Amino acid sequence: DGGITQSPKYLFRKEGQNVTLSCEQNLNHDAMYWYRQDPGQGLRLIYYSQIVNDFQKGDIAEGYSVSREKKESFPLTVTSAQKNPTAFYLCASRPRGGNQPQHFGDGTRLSIL
Amino acid sequence: DAKTTQPPSMDCAEGRAANLPCNHSTISGNEYVYWYRQIHSQGPQYIIHGLKNNETNEMASLIITEDRKSSTLILPHATLRDTAVYYCIVRVQETSGSRLTFGEGTQLTVNP
Repeated sequence: DGGITQSPKYLFRKEGQNVTLSCEQNLNHDAMYWYRQDPGQGLRLIYYSQIVNDFQKGDIAEGYSVSREKKESFPLTVTSAQKNPTAFYLCASRPRGGNQPQHFGDGTRLSIL
Repeated sequence: DAKTTQPPSMDCAEGRAANLPCNHSTISGNEYVYWYRQIHSQGPQYIIHGLKNNETNEMASLIITEDRKSSTLILPHATLRDTAVYYCIVRVQETSGSRLTFGEGTQLTVNP
């Protein structure tokens, strides 16, 4: 089935460690996005990429990094510089151009111990 | 960015129509309105989108006012599984690409 796969669903890390969240899509979408969601709040954009080897900062990029070496993959690294990394992380993708909607994965819940 | 305003919560009886309002008074002429919903601990699910005409699909109807400053999402026969947070979003087109800005949405509770 076509879709967006985020893994793992739950992730635990010790404070001070970097951690990488995986996002893979087989929809042949050009654009991919990373969002963060805190309890009771809406989604906030971290980074987005419209095409391979290119990406832009969103509203809360500090403490995060991304890469886009392949069209189908857009991993997010939560670095030790992120002061409050415990959150629900969501990846999305859409075709570039036009007005097609973003489609989301099922998310990764990151907890820092 | 065009901002949206939604009521924080609404209730609806099962089997009745759920009408969820959204204000987007600063919307620009080429900005689309998108609706998503999110069930707890899952990724948002796309529902419908539109520019200026009313739209309908298998999930819902979208009514956009003529001045485009507000819209209403209609779930014609709400079920318990429609209980979720509903987000109304205006897509912003920037030189680096388009992006969505999520607000806090409306918590819809469908009661038996």
